[in-house]
Order: sequence, then C-alpha cells, then structure tokens
Amino acid sequence: SQQGEEDPQALSIQEGENATMNCSYKTSINNLQWYRQNSGRGLVHLILIRSNEREKHSGRLRVTLDTSKKSSSLLITASRAADTASYFCATDEWGGSEKLVFGKGTKLTVNP
Amino acid sequence: DTAVSQTPKYLVTQMGNDKSIKCEQNLGHDTMYWYKQDSKKFLKIMFSYNNKELIINETVPNRFSPKSPDKAHLNLHINSLELGDSAVYFCASSQPSGRASYNEQFFGPGTRLTVL
Repeated sequence: SQQGEEDPQALSIQEGENATMNCSYKTSINNLQWYRQNSGRGLVHLILIRSNEREKHSGRLRVTLDTSKKSSSLLITASRAADTASYFCATDEWGGSEKLVFGKGTKLTVNP
Repeated sequence: DTAVSQTPKYLVTQMGNDKSIKCEQNLGHDTMYWYKQDSKKFLKIMFSYNNKELIINETVPNRFSPKSPDKAHLNLHINSLELGDSAVYFCASSQPSGRASYNEQFFGPGTRLTVL
C-alpha cells in the first residue's frame, strides 16, 4: 500500500523563491527520507529525519516532521533552476522490513 | 566511479520475449533492491536481497525472477514480457538499518523497458 503522499503534485516558482513540499503518511515510522529525481535519472538521497527529530537542515534544505499529524515538509530556500526535479518522500516503517515506501512525488519547476 | 550501475539503459523488445537487466554496486553494501517506476512516476519496490538472500518479494508475478550471484550484483530476469511491463526499472543498494534505523538508498540510473 502507498504510504507517502506528496502535495502539491506540481509546483512552479521563480528562481530565488522558496519551495515547500508536503508529505503525509499513514503508519508509524522509523524515519522519513526525501529524494530528488532529475528527469531521466535515478533518485538521489537528500536528507533523512528520524522519528524522534522535529527539524533538520542541510544547506538550503529544511525538513520538518510532525509525527502526531503524520506529515513532513521539505523547504528549499533561494531556489535555483538546477533544483528543477521531482521530489519524493519515503518512509521506513517501524517494525517493518528493510523497505522504503515512496510517495508519488512533487514535480518542481524553477524558472530562471 | 559509478556507485550503482545498470545495463542496459534502454531496452525495447516484443511481447512474449525474455530479457534480463543487470545491476552492480561497488559500495560494499549488503542489501540490494529492484524498483519499478510507472508512467506516473510512482515508484514501487519489487524485490530486496540481503547478502544474496531474498528478503522482500512484493507480490510480483512469477515471470520476474531476481538472481544475486554475489552481494555486489542483483540481476532481474523477466519471462514472457507483457505490455504492462513497460516502465523504468531501478536498482538500489543500502546497508541494513539495524537498530539505527538508517536506510539511505543509492539508486542506479534506471533501465527504460519498452514492450511493443
């Protein structure tokens, strides 16, 4: 069954603006991860946030996790055209096997 | 140096044929995966191997058979290809989570399979 659901499905912004993507999930998790996929390429891991963490930063990325609402957000600040890609959240279910369950992704377009 | 590599990158074939996709990782990871990404970009796990042992098999038709000759390789063989098998197939690898629950995965570039 699908775990993560990203929102919005597509987002178009101007360079320099911030981009916020949201992810909701259904079950208890060990951690939640965000991945980026450029067109025609494989997924690249961006950041992992554990279930006991509420916020994490990595460069221009900021991830929040609210386990009470079963939701996470990914904020990309000062976006660049090179940030154009699809972004996926993935959950590592608590007590589950070694698998990640991916959402459908948010397609981000950053216009120069 | 490529961490996770797949061959071929593109595969176009007729319905009913049998084909294989190869995957290799040089990261020293114990766990490898096969994912299928459909035309709507939905990524779903198919199989996972840990040290050559199958640990995840997600209701994939028997026509799909993974084979892991060693922990650095996980190949995917598909028999009697159907139109619905058209998709992009990704190989990935990771270290097991263990108690740390850390499961970052490293993905290959994908194999775009088109069944005509």
